[in-house]
Amino acid sequence: DAKTTQPPSMDCAEGRAANLPCNHSTISGNEYVYWYRQIHSQGPQYIIHGLKNNETNEMASLIITEDRKSSTLILPHATLRDTAVYYCIAQDNYGQNFVFGPGTRLSVLP
Amino acid sequence: NAGVTQTPKFRVLKTGQSMTLLCAQDMNHEYMYWYRQDPGMGLRLIHYSVGEGTTAKGEVPDGYNVSRLKKQNFLLGLESAAPSQTSVYFCASSYRPGLAGITDTQYFGPGTRLTVL
Repeated sequence: DAKTTQPPSMDCAEGRAANLPCNHSTISGNEYVYWYRQIHSQGPQYIIHGLKNNETNEMASLIITEDRKSSTLILPHATLRDTAVYYCIAQDNYGQNFVFGPGTRLSVLP
Repeated sequence: NAGVTQTPKFRVLKTGQSMTLLCAQDMNHEYMYWYRQDPGMGLRLIHYSVGEGTTAKGEVPDGYNVSRLKKQNFLLGLESAAPSQTSVYFCASSYRPGLAGITDTQYFGPGTRLTVL
């Protein structure tokens, strides 16, 4: 499975968009990009995933570059409750072993 | 639906004691997983199961055993607890990835905080 790299921490002002980058330069063609978050030691929560196209749901948007070597998770209007650790994972659809790296600790500031 | 539940929520053991952590899911998921998370770290996979009666080793299986006697339950056992097993344990479940239209989205329980003295 492809390794992903993320910045260790980011700040974002409340009400502004939070843009969380992820680098997955060795991703293979059948690997999806998944995003999860973990709020204060709770169980991780699924956010969104994508393969090639940009995706949007009620929580976030996922922008994947054309060469698929990187992606950005966008929280359009960050709130204090979005403060969490965000994990970017590259995984094929047949794997059973998600690799959770250290993630990005997002702090939403009032 | 309750989703994924874990019992107990907290436990303190002495070195050498044994215990079983229970994970239950009511989503009819085929796959179930056990992870551990140490302070400041990401999650690491201990064992997983791709269906009732099956189990497989993950990244850090030593010192743990698992059983999946019923589809909805996945048990994690520590036969002789060690201080290195102090951690937060998360269970997760998912549909069977690889089926048409089904991806590997995992649903997590709230975790069990285990301290081994």
